Amino acid sequence: QKEVEQNSGPLSVPEGAIASLNCTYSDRGSQSFFWYRQYSGKSPELIMSIYSNGDKEDGRFTAQLNKASQYVSLLIRDSQPSDSATYLCAVNKGSWGKLQFGAGTQVVVTP
Amino acid sequence: EAGVVQSPRYKIIEKKQPVAFWCNPISGHNTLYWYLQNLGQGPELLIRYENEEAVDDSQLPKDRFSAERLKGVDSTLKIQPAELGDSAVYLCASSLGLDPYNEQFFGPGTRLTVL
Repeated sequence: QKEVEQNSGPLSVPEGAIASLNCTYSDRGSQSFFWYRQYSGKSPELIMSIYSNGDKEDGRFTAQLNKASQYVSLLIRDSQPSDSATYLCAVNKGSWGKLQFGAGTQVVVTP
Repeated sequence: EAGVVQSPRYKIIEKKQPVAFWCNPISGHNTLYWYLQNLGQGPELLIRYENEEAVDDSQLPKDRFSAERLKGVDSTLKIQPAELGDSAVYLCASSLGLDPYNEQFFGPGTRLTVL
């Protein structure tokens, strides 16, 4: 079992719709969770961080965390073609800032 | 505020040749990370520095890879000799510290091709 798992996609989303990305993790002691966006040929860009159970909203992005079920999700509302990218879920395993990344979910927003 | 700076952006070398990558973190960030990213995968940690000290180098292949962070600011990652399987993107990231709630910010990366 991988420590951080994501559906590889591609996830095809019509423009204006909601994209829903899921991520599960294996270490119950994980404390912090991050979503990165990575455009093709570019480096990962931090878009959201979440530390407590529940929802966290930032613009069109909402991160959701459920530690009991060990999953974290990202919703992208009003999806735009510029949202087409790979979204990486990263989980901090312990107390020393060591991030474990998933393989990423490719999102394709179609006009 | 300037982001993480890396150079070179691209490097093509013959196998068995040495190669070095340089990283300058965000000003004030004490923690520096080197990651390796293969196509279709997430970044994998190679080494972490807290100031000048390497606090986690367990994933660094020490027979051919080495790293240093003199004076606790910029860092160099070296491969000698390079192998075909080392072709990947090498990413540098930095954060304020080792606290798990500190966010990590990535540089543009160095794309290495070993022929």
